[in-house]
Amino acid sequence: QKEVEQNSGPLSVPEGAIASLNCTYSDRGSQSFFWYRQYSGKSPELIMFIYSNGDKEDGRFTAQLNKASQYVSLLIRDSQPSDSATYLCAVNTKPTGANSKLTFGKGITLSVRP
Amino acid sequence: GAGVSQTPSNKVTEKGKYVELRCDPISGHTALYWYRQSLGQGPEFLIYFQGTGAADDSGLPNDRFFAVRPEGSVSTLKIQRTERGDSAVYLCASRSSGGADTQYFGPGTRLTVL
Repeated sequence: QKEVEQNSGPLSVPEGAIASLNCTYSDRGSQSFFWYRQYSGKSPELIMFIYSNGDKEDGRFTAQLNKASQYVSLLIRDSQPSDSATYLCAVNTKPTGANSKLTFGKGITLSVRP
Repeated sequence: GAGVSQTPSNKVTEKGKYVELRCDPISGHTALYWYRQSLGQGPEFLIYFQGTGAADDSGLPNDRFFAVRPEGSVSTLKIQRTERGDSAVYLCASRSSGGADTQYFGPGTRLTVL
């Protein structure tokens, strides 16, 4: 089993819809969780991070974390064609503020249809 | 301010040759990471520097790969006797000490081994 799994893709939604991107992880000691967006041919760009169980909202984006289920998701409301990209889930097993590597999933490709 | 920069942006080499990839982190960032991303996959951790020392090199695939950061700023990833399987995008990221865990990625170096 891979450490970080993103299996639900590719995803296509119409403009204005909610896009739901899911990620599971295997290490129960994981402490912090990140969503990166990567446009084709570009480097990853941080969208959000979350440390605590529950929801964290930032504009049209909401990250959801459930440590008991080892599950983290990203919701994109009012999806726009400019949101079309690959979304990478990343996990850090160290406490916040402690340097450590990120373990990435393979990414989910989102396409928003005009 | 300036972000993470990487040179060259593209490198084409022949099997068996030696290559050096350079990363210039965000000014003042003490932590520097190297990742490798193959097509259709998420970034894969290679090595992490805290200051001048390699704090974690567990991701280096074999002894052909080596990285240095002699003055705690610029880092160079060195690959000896390149193989076709080394072809990938090599990403560098940096983060400041303490505070949030955010790693900021550079644009990457696309390495092609013929």
